Amino acid sequence: DGGITQSPKYLFRKEGQNVTLSCEQNLNHDAMYWYRQDPGQGLRLIYYSQIVNDFQKGDIAEGYSVSREKKESFPLTVTSAQKNPTAFYLCASRGSATLQETQYFGPGTRLLVL
Amino acid sequence: AQKVTQAQTEISVVEKEDVTLDCVYETRDTTYYLFWYKQPPSGELVFLIRRNSFDEQNEISGRYSWNFQKSTSSFNFTITASQVVDSAVYFCALSEARGGFKTIFGAGTRLFVKA
Repeated sequence: DGGITQSPKYLFRKEGQNVTLSCEQNLNHDAMYWYRQDPGQGLRLIYYSQIVNDFQKGDIAEGYSVSREKKESFPLTVTSAQKNPTAFYLCASRGSATLQETQYFGPGTRLLVL
Repeated sequence: AQKVTQAQTEISVVEKEDVTLDCVYETRDTTYYLFWYKQPPSGELVFLIRRNSFDEQNEISGRYSWNFQKSTSSFNFTITASQVVDSAVYFCALSEARGGFKTIFGAGTRLFVKA
């Protein structure tokens, strides 16, 4: 089955710790995205990648880092510089970074701080 | 400036009632796309519909219908004869050429359908 997988479903972070959220897609999509969703709020764009080995900052990139070494993978690292990381993180992909392409989403990772 | 406005934060209806979720958008582009997504309690966003700026025909899919009006920059979503399974957060989104073809999401409307 084609789709987007995110792991883990729940992740706990200790203060000062970096953690990495996984996002994998087998849809052969060029573009991938990371969003953060806080309770009762919409989606805010953290980072996006339109093609392998290239990525751009979104609206709230501070305290996060990404890599795009493979087309199917776009991991997100939440660094210790992110002071308020508790949120629901959604990964998305679409065929290409063009106007008409629909974004499809993974099941999300809920990050909690201990 | 907010690009996609969903003024209704929460709506509560009784099963079998019809309900309309409002979406107003702002763009200077003449070519753009609008989307609706559903986010059930599980969290994953589910794609519902995509509409381009040149197609103002209303769309109906089962109990769901969408009304796109460029004159008022609105793309409203109606659920007819609502069911408990319709309870979710619904997001309206805009894809425009500015800013690298990113998709901009509204804040979402939480719909409660009571039995």
